[in-house]
Amino acid sequence: SQQGEEDPQALSIQEGENATMNCSYKTSINNLQWYRQNSGRGLVHLILIRSNEREKHSGRLRVTLDTSKKSSSLLITASRAADTASYFCATGITGANSKLTFGKGITLSVRP
Amino acid sequence: KAGVTQTPRYLIKTRGQQVTLSCSPISGHRSVSWYQQTPGQGLQFLFEYFSETQRNKGNFPGRFSGRQFSNSRSEMNVSTLELGDSALYLCASSLTAKNEKLFFGSGTQLSVL
Repeated sequence: SQQGEEDPQALSIQEGENATMNCSYKTSINNLQWYRQNSGRGLVHLILIRSNEREKHSGRLRVTLDTSKKSSSLLITASRAADTASYFCATGITGANSKLTFGKGITLSVRP
Repeated sequence: KAGVTQTPRYLIKTRGQQVTLSCSPISGHRSVSWYQQTPGQGLQFLFEYFSETQRNKGNFPGRFSGRQFSNSRSEMNVSTLELGDSALYLCASSLTAKNEKLFFGSGTQLSVL
């Protein structure tokens, strides 16, 4: 399966610290995306990195992709209590059989 | 621009009944995908529609079906409900069929008693 697997499953940090979340997958992909979900709500798209890119930034977010290791990491710098949420990586295949497959998510708690 | 709208927000049904969930995508978005989210299985892909055609289907029994209308609105139907169908059902829309950036609704929380 190409489903991404996030690591760790849960992360608790102090406000102001950095949070690093990892995602590994098994098959070739065209892109990898990260989403955030606040409790019981829909997911919000954070960032997309394509298979030919190695690093991307968006505000306090930094995502890396290593296609040789089939892994990605999401770094949230200077975390805030409002960053408390579940974070999901999703592996994307484009083309005729395009599909987006989500991992089971990481629960991030940021303590004030 | 209005976001993705899912109705109803909550549903309580009993085993054996059927249910229809509705999703209105963001204006201009032609692709609609459906996901089932449970604590144990995470997000499981149900199906994807683009311009009224089902492009892809997940590994769910035939009790789960869907359709998309000419205005891109979509419905999914679950017949003969089982206890295990209790879940948060999420709809997502995107501009193209590439699944490169999905916009999610708040979901329909279905409880089967």
